[in-house]
Amino acid sequence: GDSVTQMEGPVTLSEEAFLTINCTYTATGYPSLFWYVQYPGEGLQLLLKATKADDKGSNKGFEATYRKETTSFHLEKGSVQVSDSAVYFCALWLSGAGSYQLTFGKGTKLSVIP
Amino acid sequence: EPEVTQTPSHQVTQMGQEVILRCVPISNHLYFYWYRQILGQKVEFLVSFYNNEISEKSEIFDDQFSVERPDGSNFTLKIRSTKLEDSAMYFCASTGETYGYTFGSGTRLTVV
Repeated sequence: GDSVTQMEGPVTLSEEAFLTINCTYTATGYPSLFWYVQYPGEGLQLLLKATKADDKGSNKGFEATYRKETTSFHLEKGSVQVSDSAVYFCALWLSGAGSYQLTFGKGTKLSVIP
Repeated sequence: EPEVTQTPSHQVTQMGQEVILRCVPISNHLYFYWYRQILGQKVEFLVSFYNNEISEKSEIFDDQFSVERPDGSNFTLKIRSTKLEDSAMYFCASTGETYGYTFGSGTRLTVV
């Protein structure tokens, strides 16, 4: 079945460090790919998305590029801030028979220290 | 910005008891969902609901679970006889005609 694998956390970085959170997927078709973020005490918020190969999603300084050849969608940010501390989830959506079901990775907790 | 609202934020219940988790989706959204996240594990799909009926459910969503939209605004998840392994964060979500998931902030269910 479809699945998402993301790097194990927690990840601890100093402010202004470069961030990469790896995400790879397995899917029977051509999924849309997403990164969600969960700040402490809050719900899941869509951070960025890409719907086809070579698309780059970006938001709030975060970027991820849909790489079909490596089935990856790694999240990057050039300079993290303390306010970026959260749990990040990679997810995919494979449309078919009207399904809107999202398949999530396990999540990666990021802590940014001043 | 419209929000999906979930209540309560934390529920503690004894094993074997029934619990009802409540959600108010965004008013013009058409699809409604429940997901759950057991601590330290991935977020898992439970069920989707459209046009007043279940449109899709996972193998997790067995006979002890049910969903209902009783009054056109609320969307509830009922667990009939809770087990210890039902302890998790439960997320409600809704989507409209164009793709756009909006999640609630979750209900943390603790079964003791």
